[in-house]
Amino acid sequence: QLQLQESGPGLVKPSETLSLTCTVSGGSISSMSYYWGWIRQPPGKGLEWIASIYYSGSTYYNPSLKSRVTMSVDTSKNHFSLKLSSVTAADTAVYYCVRLYVASSIRLGDYWGQGTLVTVSS
Amino acid sequence: QSALTQPRSVSGSPGQSVTISCTGTSSDVGGYNYVSWYQQHPGKVPKLMIYDVTKRPSGVPDRFSGSKSGNTASLTISGLQTEDEADYYCCSYAGSYTFYVFGTGTEVTVL
Repeated sequence: QLQLQESGPGLVKPSETLSLTCTVSGGSISSMSYYWGWIRQPPGKGLEWIASIYYSGSTYYNPSLKSRVTMSVDTSKNHFSLKLSSVTAADTAVYYCVRLYVASSIRLGDYWGQGTLVTVSS
Repeated sequence: QSALTQPRSVSGSPGQSVTISCTGTSSDVGGYNYVSWYQQHPGKVPKLMIYDVTKRPSGVPDRFSGSKSGNTASLTISGLQTEDEADYYCCSYAGSYTFYVFGTGTEVTVL
């Protein structure tokens, strides 16, 4: 059974960089047609897609966050990471890592991590 | 890119049917057959219920069905059950610049 697990600090200071890692178990991050991504949800609000990455390193970013986001993948550790720079209180959210299937079909989020709350506060 | 528009809430009695709309534009919902729907119970992780407008992942009851007409996609829950009470979000692929845009979310209440 595929499992995704987010890890990283739960508290980040304003203007600093948020860093999260998602470790994949029960399957390979290098599987063809599967992308890996991040989705966030501010408390009491809706979902927002942040970014996606393929095991080759190809990345796709939400245009509204593109200037601050970097995703990377480490196939040897079977994990992928998110960095969001210059954070403000508006970046406070539960951050989910997800799997996406992208081929003749698109299944965004057929597997999700449990989510990790990141609070931006001094 | 603006969020897709969903009604804030819908409600129905057990056994009834409810339909949730998801309105976008020709750049997202209307332009691609890649609309998905998610169910989220309070404090829980979202669950994929529908993808590619009409397809159900394994394990999702056939009470859940999706459709699309023009720039509006819809999720219908037939034979409403108490466990269907949750928030529902739509999401559409929006091309190779925007990629994915979510809806505003709809709270489904079972009366």
